[in-house]
Amino acid sequence: DIQMTQSPSTLSASVGDRVTITCRASQSISSWLAWYQQKIGKAPKLLIYKASSLESGVPSRFSGGGSGTEFTLTISSLQPDDFATYYCQQYNSYPWTFGQGTKLEIK
Amino acid sequence: EVQLVESGGGLVQPGGSLRLSCAASGFTVSSNYMSWVRQAPGKGLEWVSIIYSGGSTYYTDSVKGRFTISRDNSKNTVYLQMNSLRAEDTAVYYCARVGWSGSHFNGMDVWGQGTTVTVSS
Repeated sequence: DIQMTQSPSTLSASVGDRVTITCRASQSISSWLAWYQQKIGKAPKLLIYKASSLESGVPSRFSGGGSGTEFTLTISSLQPDDFATYYCQQYNSYPWTFGQGTKLEIK
Repeated sequence: EVQLVESGGGLVQPGGSLRLSCAASGFTVSSNYMSWVRQAPGKGLEWVSIIYSGGSTYYTDSVKGRFTISRDNSKNTVYLQMNSLRAEDTAVYYCARVGWSGSHFNGMDVWGQGTTVTVSS
């Protein structure tokens, strides 16, 4: 199975900050990576697919990058609504696997 | 409106069975790839299973031989039959549509609200 490792596990930041979350795969997954946002008690929401493609309706302050084994999710200017938990997920091969999550907290 | 609504969760004893349902509206499940994802209490997301538009199915290792994904096209509903349930299957189970570009997946773009399964004696 492909292991997905996110860093950091927790990130404290302020409104207006630029933040980056990293996701590393245990083997190459090309660009078959998605990013999701999840708020407490809610279903996940797709933000980015194919590593860098922005899902329709998602604000442009979210961007994704990387390929192979290292990927990033960047939020250019944090808004109050962005404080949540973020997950990466590979869909290069079965079983699909998620990272352990990064909790983005208000500093 | 594109929507998924799960049902069928509940409390079940170890070794028991449950069938989860995921009713879709606004799109046709038979023309799409549909998946189940679960989340144990206080834990991260875990992918469980997928059914292709053509009917092929795949599972995570821990549920192979115990869970079965299927669909009823006439009801526009996807199911997850769960047998031989264990305490570690306790989770919120989400149904999701997998986006498809025509040549590759585009992530899970529509999610239901989730249904809770608790396996306990």
